[in-house]
Amino acid sequence: QPVLTQPPSSSASPGESARLTCTLPSDINVGHYNIYWYQKKPGSPPRYLLYHYSDSEKGQGSGVPSRFSGSKDASANTGILFISGLQSEDEADYYCMIWLRKAGVFGGGTKLTVL
Amino acid sequence: QVQLVESGGGVVQPGRSLRLSCAASGFTFSSYGMHWVRQAPGKGLEWVAIIWYDGSNKYYADSVKGRFTISRDNSKNTLYLQMNSLRAEDTAIYYCARDKDYGGTYFEYWGQGTLVTVSS
Repeated sequence: QPVLTQPPSSSASPGESARLTCTLPSDINVGHYNIYWYQKKPGSPPRYLLYHYSDSEKGQGSGVPSRFSGSKDASANTGILFISGLQSEDEADYYCMIWLRKAGVFGGGTKLTVL
Repeated sequence: QVQLVESGGGVVQPGRSLRLSCAASGFTFSSYGMHWVRQAPGKGLEWVAIIWYDGSNKYYADSVKGRFTISRDNSKNTLYLQMNSLRAEDTAIYYCARDKDYGGTYFEYWGQGTLVTVSS
């Protein structure tokens, strides 16, 4: 079982927004970690999207539209990837990742379907 | 432009060894940390290993520790992954990825991957 918990699937219609979550276990405080997000489409390598530590410390991948943004919900110990104005090409698997004790740890991924 | 080209994948029997290579170009290879990340068929992404820009630090996922060795030759702009005692669960597409920095930030560039199949 991945350390980071992501819902297996999510769906939304074109033009709507999607909110993908990445929940850390209770003994790992989301506030202390950069949350990295990657997009994976079949037949292609993963693509780095962004990272989020705080509202003042975050970064967008090169060429990644501003429709993609990150945030955290400290009360739920969760990292969030928000995608606004969904387009058909946003249909993909999305993975969160953190660095934990010098090891990279991915979530199990969320398959986003754009209906 | 940054290019990463993996090679060395194939079909191998359980318990045997395989060495993957990743040829890098388009950037100063010796300035960046490098990673291996894999994806088993129908499964999610799994980080495998990291090597710092100068080879001074190497870290591994628990699932491969003691069996896999990451290395690099900065004179040849090449990253390696020596995989020993292979198991069926090591079957995956293996991607090499360049770090944003000297090591341990994010995977900024990726190769297309090479498929490793462990089967008798």
